[in-house]
Amino acid sequence: DGGITQSPKYLFRKEGQNVTLSCEQNLNHDAMYWYRQDPGQGLRLIYYSQIVNDFQKGDIAEGYSVSREKKESFPLTVTSAQKNPTAFYLCASSITTGINYEQYFGPGTRLTVT
Amino acid sequence: QQQVKQSPQSLIVQKGGIPIINCAYENTAFDYFPWYQQFPGKGPALLIAIRPDVSEKKEGRFTISFNKSAKQFSLHIMDSQPGDSATYFCAAGARGAQKLVFGQGTRLTINP
Repeated sequence: DGGITQSPKYLFRKEGQNVTLSCEQNLNHDAMYWYRQDPGQGLRLIYYSQIVNDFQKGDIAEGYSVSREKKESFPLTVTSAQKNPTAFYLCASSITTGINYEQYFGPGTRLTVT
Repeated sequence: QQQVKQSPQSLIVQKGGIPIINCAYENTAFDYFPWYQQFPGKGPALLIAIRPDVSEKKEGRFTISFNKSAKQFSLHIMDSQPGDSATYFCAAGARGAQKLVFGQGTRLTINP
């Protein structure tokens, strides 16, 4: 099955701990994205990456870090510097060539920090 | 200029009615306009998309209308069903821009 997987579905952490969210895709997409969604809110872009070993900050990158060592994988680390980390985190991917840049989303990880 | 403004924020329609969600943009470089459907606790799913060379696109009960001169596009859901109750997001993209710009979302409720 082709698609985007995010694990785990639910994640609980204590305040002050870093936590890494996993995102894997087998769609052979070049670009990958991380979004944050708060209850009843829209999608806010955290980081995105167009190619391996390169990534750019989105609108709300403070307190987050990413890596892109493999085309298939784009893990997101929520650091202790992120003031309000509790949220629903969504990973997405897209191709970037030609006129097709449909973006597909994973199922999301709900992070709760107490 | 990078914003996409979506309205209304929430919408309640009776079963069988035709909910209409509107989006407006400023950036004339946008050339790709998708709509996403999101159910609670799930990731958004690509529903339908349009490019500015057509004024309308239909897929099943979902229709996008596009007005290039007004820089507006809208989603219509024909014969709406309670199962269509979800949050809908519009978005816009431009070639080479590397990312989509999303509207704020519309929470749609279809009453039985």
